[in-house]
Amino acid sequence: NAGVTQTPKFRILKIGQSMTLQCAQDMNHNYMYWYRQDPGMGLKLIYYSVGAGITDKGEVPNGYNVSRSTTEDFPLRLELAAPSQTSVYFCASSRRDGREALHFGNGTRLTVT
Amino acid sequence: KNEVEQSPQNLTAQEGEFITINCSYSVGISALHWLQQHPGGGIVSLFMLSSGKKKHGRLIATINIQEKHSSLHITASHPRDSAVYICACKMDAGGTSYGKLTFGQGTILTVHP
Repeated sequence: NAGVTQTPKFRILKIGQSMTLQCAQDMNHNYMYWYRQDPGMGLKLIYYSVGAGITDKGEVPNGYNVSRSTTEDFPLRLELAAPSQTSVYFCASSRRDGREALHFGNGTRLTVT
Repeated sequence: KNEVEQSPQNLTAQEGEFITINCSYSVGISALHWLQQHPGGGIVSLFMLSSGKKKHGRLIATINIQEKHSSLHITASHPRDSAVYICACKMDAGGTSYGKLTFGQGTILTVHP
């Protein structure tokens, strides 16, 4: 079991560029989440998914998009990157929504300049 | 005021000391998570609690639902315990709260040899 795999680990983007952060899990979890972590702040939910084909916005969805075509994969798309999107991004999954252990990827450190 | 408050924000200890990190929350919850994040590293789930107490090795987590309070204890602390410890609460807000975990800002623990 690889758990939750996130790629890339680091990325530098110029303002206005786009990119996709990849997230895959091999635990057959229905629930998947994208969070961002800013210095000194708690994790903030960007988007989540409760199963293949079902996604919804979290607390801070602006500037991001997601898709969930399979149970395993939950990519996060940044369109028109802005400096405010400089952050560390974590993907997570769980078997039951918030009521069982969360499994996190290793994070993606993104800098937008 | 954050719905999930952790204290202290920073904690320094000598190897071998008993450590307590506190988490208080302001509304009803259905589950509480303790997470560990090493510097520059990923996030690992330590415990998920809905009542009582759990123990894993030198780590003990307790929750008092009536007082809306949880504690994470580390016995015989070691420098490798140095990390950020994060409390996250699954708010009890009914079926519209999918994915809604509210995170504390974390407690930075440093254990000196």
